[in-house]
Amino acid sequence: LAKTTQPISMDSYEGQEVNITCSHNNIATNDYITWYQQFPSQGPRFIIQGYKTKVTNEVASLFIPADRKSSTLSLPRVSLSDTAVYYCLVSGGSYIPTFGRGTSLIVHP
Amino acid sequence: NAGVTQTPKFRILKIGQSMTLQCTQDMNHNYMYWYRQDPGMGLKLIYYSVGAGITDKGEVPNGYNVSRSTTEDFPLRLELAAPSQTSVYFCASSPRQGSYEQYFGPGTRLTVT
Repeated sequence: LAKTTQPISMDSYEGQEVNITCSHNNIATNDYITWYQQFPSQGPRFIIQGYKTKVTNEVASLFIPADRKSSTLSLPRVSLSDTAVYYCLVSGGSYIPTFGRGTSLIVHP
Repeated sequence: NAGVTQTPKFRILKIGQSMTLQCTQDMNHNYMYWYRQDPGMGLKLIYYSVGAGITDKGEVPNGYNVSRSTTEDFPLRLELAAPSQTSVYFCASSPRQGSYEQYFGPGTRLTVT
């Protein structure tokens, strides 16, 4: 099971772009990369999933370099409501998803 | 669609008591999961199920039991509650094997005293 490493916390200001990077050096060929967002007292919410290059949806973009040993979640123009914990997961078929401690993002006015 | 629902929202148990946390999903997902989350920590998988009648242990199964008699329901049973089981419990479901696109319920906050 690929292990992931992400910063424990990040600070930003409203209107800025935030990039959260996740390292997954031993990612396997059939692994996908998935990001979740969790607000206090709520369950995690799926944000985005990708395999390679770039994926974009209405919430975020996910950038994955050619070697796939890292990935970057990009949140454009964050607002106070983006303050949350963000988790990076890597999986390729294992039924045992592993959520680390995630990255606590605080957006300041 | 209600998605994933969990009951109760809150519960206080005395040491040694038992209870069942209910989880229901209306999305016809085969894959279901139970997690616990301690304060300031990530989620840890307790049990999971790949379909009705099939369950398996996750990372922290001790002190818990599950059953899956229907696609919709995946109850989690706590026997002989201990203070170490004080946590927030989340149930989730997923439509595809190996997919981490999971849909989570609102959680049950359990305190054992």
